[in-house]
Order: sequence, then structure tokens, then C-alpha cells
Amino acid sequence: AQRVTQPEKLLSVFKGAPVELKCNYSYSGSPELFWYVQYSRQRLQLLLRHISRESIKGFTADLNKGETSFHLKKPFAQEEDSAMYYCALSSSSNTGKLIFGQGTTLQVKP
Amino acid sequence: KAGVTQTPRYLIKTRGQQVTLSCSPISGHRSVSWYQQTPGQGLQFLFEYFSETQRNKGNFPGRFSGRQFSNSRSEMNVSTLELGDSALYLCASSQGLAGGQETQYFGPGTRLLVL
Repeated sequence: AQRVTQPEKLLSVFKGAPVELKCNYSYSGSPELFWYVQYSRQRLQLLLRHISRESIKGFTADLNKGETSFHLKKPFAQEEDSAMYYCALSSSSNTGKLIFGQGTTLQVKP
Repeated sequence: KAGVTQTPRYLIKTRGQQVTLSCSPISGHRSVSWYQQTPGQGLQFLFEYFSETQRNKGNFPGRFSGRQFSNSRSEMNVSTLELGDSALYLCASSQGLAGGQETQYFGPGTRLLVL
């Protein structure tokens, strides 16, 4: 079965500290992995996807097929990074369907 | 381009009633997916429509249905509402290209409260 796991419900760090939001997935084929972010009172929006290999707002994520992980990292957290982060998976065999993890709330303290 | 819009933004219904939610995708997008978001279950896929046809369906009872119009606008309907249907319903649009691994763009959601 296709599944996405985000083991941490809440991650609390101080401003300037490194951040790593964990995401593990189970899928036997070639998935496309995404990180979506939801800031307070805003809609869910794409942060990055692995195929684009971009760095958005200082965040990066590397797909590790051996460990089936797609962890989100940022070297220096900012207060404005406080939000809910969702890891999601899509597959060519499941058109139009994103499978989401349970989400991790990132709290960046001043 | 204008983003995905959803109407209404808030709804209060009572058990046993039915409800219809509407979603207008980004101009040019032909695929619309629907999700239910609850604190307990998180984000769960309901179904996806492309060119007025349901292409994919999640594990929800038949009380949940949808349709898509020729202008790509989509509606979802929930009949015989139950308390557990209280949730934020999100729709997302994408171009609907073959292969299915596109970025989906989300609307603000419709918050449904069933009393």
C-alpha cells in the first residue's frame, strides 16, 4: 500500500537553528514527492517537489530511494517558517490523487 | 491567473440533510481533485474528475459524489449527512496531463459543520 509517514506531530526550534522535518514513504514504483505548507489562515500551497530540485525559502529536500525518505531541511529557521508542513506522494498509477502524511507543525521560537 | 475558488466557505447543516460544494479551478486546468481534512484522519482523497469523468476515487461511502462540468468547474455532494462528515473540504486543480504526477493547486476550502 502507498503510505506517507511524518513521525513528528510538532517540531519546536529556536530562530536560527537548523530544521529537519522527516518524511518516509512506502511505494514500490517511482513516486513523485511533494512538500506542501499551510501558514495560519492560508490555503495549502506547494513548497517544493523533488523533481524540480529547487530550493524554496531556503528549504531543500532530497529523495532517498534506499531509505524511502524525503526529509525537508533548512539550515537556519526563521519565525515566519512557523506553519503546518505536509509531505505528499503521487504516483502514475493513481491519477489525481495525493497521499498525505499527517503533517508536522513547525514552531519557530524567537 | 486567479487561484482555485470554492463556495461557500462555511456551511452549517443538520444530520440527514444533503449539501453541495462548488469548486472553480485555475483557468486552463482540467483536473479537479477533492479532499476531506479532519483533525483525526488528516487529508484524505475523495475523488478526481477530468473532462467531466471521474478518473479516480478514494475510499468513501457512496453518499459522497461529485461531478464536473464542461467548463471544468466541479461540485461535490454529500447526502444524508452524518456528524462525522464535519470537516474542511478542499479541492485542488491541475492540468490533468497523462502520468498524473503534477502539482495540485488548492482552494481555501469549505468548512462544513454538521449538527
